[in-house]
Amino acid sequence: GQQVMQIPQYQHVQEGEDFTTYCNSSTTLSNIQWYKQRPGGHPVFLIQLVKSGEVKKQKRLTFQFGEAKKNSSLHITATQTTDVGTYFCAGPGNAGGTSYGKLTFGQGTILTVHP
Amino acid sequence: DTGVSQDPRHKITKRGQNVTFRCDPISEHNRLYWYRQTLGQGPEFLTYFQNEAQLEKSRLLSDRFSAERPKGSFSTLEIQRTEQGDSAMYLCASGGLGGEKLFFGSGTQLSVL
Repeated sequence: GQQVMQIPQYQHVQEGEDFTTYCNSSTTLSNIQWYKQRPGGHPVFLIQLVKSGEVKKQKRLTFQFGEAKKNSSLHITATQTTDVGTYFCAGPGNAGGTSYGKLTFGQGTILTVHP
Repeated sequence: DTGVSQDPRHKITKRGQNVTFRCDPISEHNRLYWYRQTLGQGPEFLTYFQNEAQLEKSRLLSDRFSAERPKGSFSTLEIQRTEQGDSAMYLCASGGLGGEKLFFGSGTQLSVL
């Protein structure tokens, strides 16, 4: 079945440093979503990317979708302590099409930020 | 703005007991999903409803698991004869037609002793 892998599993940074997490799929994705889960919290939707090569920005966060639509990345510029949490990518759970909310999540990247 | 509500937040049970969790989705959302999350992993899809119809069920869901959404509003997830391997966070999410974005509830943390 479809697999979504994320690296690194953990990332520790000093406040102000940049952070990047990478997501790779075993199959071509129609779209990819990113979620953030704070410690003790639940996943919260950040963004969805649909087009090949798409780049979207949300303040200090930059999301990219690969040209082949099999990989994606999330980059945070100048991390802050509020960025702490686990970042998940998720692709449609049904190969080749939309998922209607059935998602396959990566295992996440846990970000800690030292003040 | 009411989000997705789940009850209870925590459940401790003994192996072999039955448990039931409830989820109240965002009112205008017709899709409702159950996911399971274990420590250090991303959420795993279990099942989903569109209105009252259960449209898909994961192979992860054994016969001991059953979910209902009788009137297309709230949903329940029941686990019969719980096993220690069922210990996990059970997350409910809802979404509207035309979009795949999920809104998650705070989850029910199940511990099976």
